[in-house]
Amino acid sequence: EDKVVQSPLSLVVHEGDTVTLNCSYEVTNFRSLLWYKQEKKAPTFLFMLTSSGIEKKSGRLSSILDKKELFSILNITATQTGDSAVYLCAFSSGTYKYIFGTGTRLKVLA
Amino acid sequence: DSGVTQTPKHLITATGQRVTLRCSPRSGDLSVYWYQQSLDQGLQFLIQYYNGEERAKGNILERFSAQQFPDLHSELNLSSLELGDSALYFCASSAWDSGADTQYFGPGTRLTVL
Repeated sequence: EDKVVQSPLSLVVHEGDTVTLNCSYEVTNFRSLLWYKQEKKAPTFLFMLTSSGIEKKSGRLSSILDKKELFSILNITATQTGDSAVYLCAFSSGTYKYIFGTGTRLKVLA
Repeated sequence: DSGVTQTPKHLITATGQRVTLRCSPRSGDLSVYWYQQSLDQGLQFLIQYYNGEERAKGNILERFSAQQFPDLHSELNLSSLELGDSALYFCASSAWDSGADTQYFGPGTRLTVL
């Protein structure tokens, strides 16, 4: 059965810290892996990864995919209170289904 | 603002009733996805439509149905509502149907079943 597991479930850090969020998956026909940030509203898109070893960056956020070991990480450097959110990892499979993890809840303290 | 619109924003109804949630995708997007998010289940994929045709089904109950119209807006119909159907229902859209497209989420409809 296709599934995705995120860790840790929850994380509390201080402003300025660097965090690494993990996403591991099992899927029969992988197409892409996506990261979203969800605050109080709808998820907002961060990254889409389809190839192994290619880092994607956007400001203080970066992400990389390892298709051999079936995981992805999301790094946030120099965290700010505005980074506090639930970070969701999801993948799409060959049947066009999108499977989401339960998320990592990040709280950044001032 | 993702460009995806959903109506209504909130909906309160009673058990046994039927409701319709509406979604307008971003301009030019052909795919529409419906998700249910409840506290204990996380984000669950329900169903996807592409250019008017059903493309994929996830964990959608038989009491639920959806369709996508020629103007590409979509409706999710929920019938014989139960307390457990209370959740946030998101619609998302993407340009194509490759499985590697970015999905843009609407603001959601919060459904409360009393």
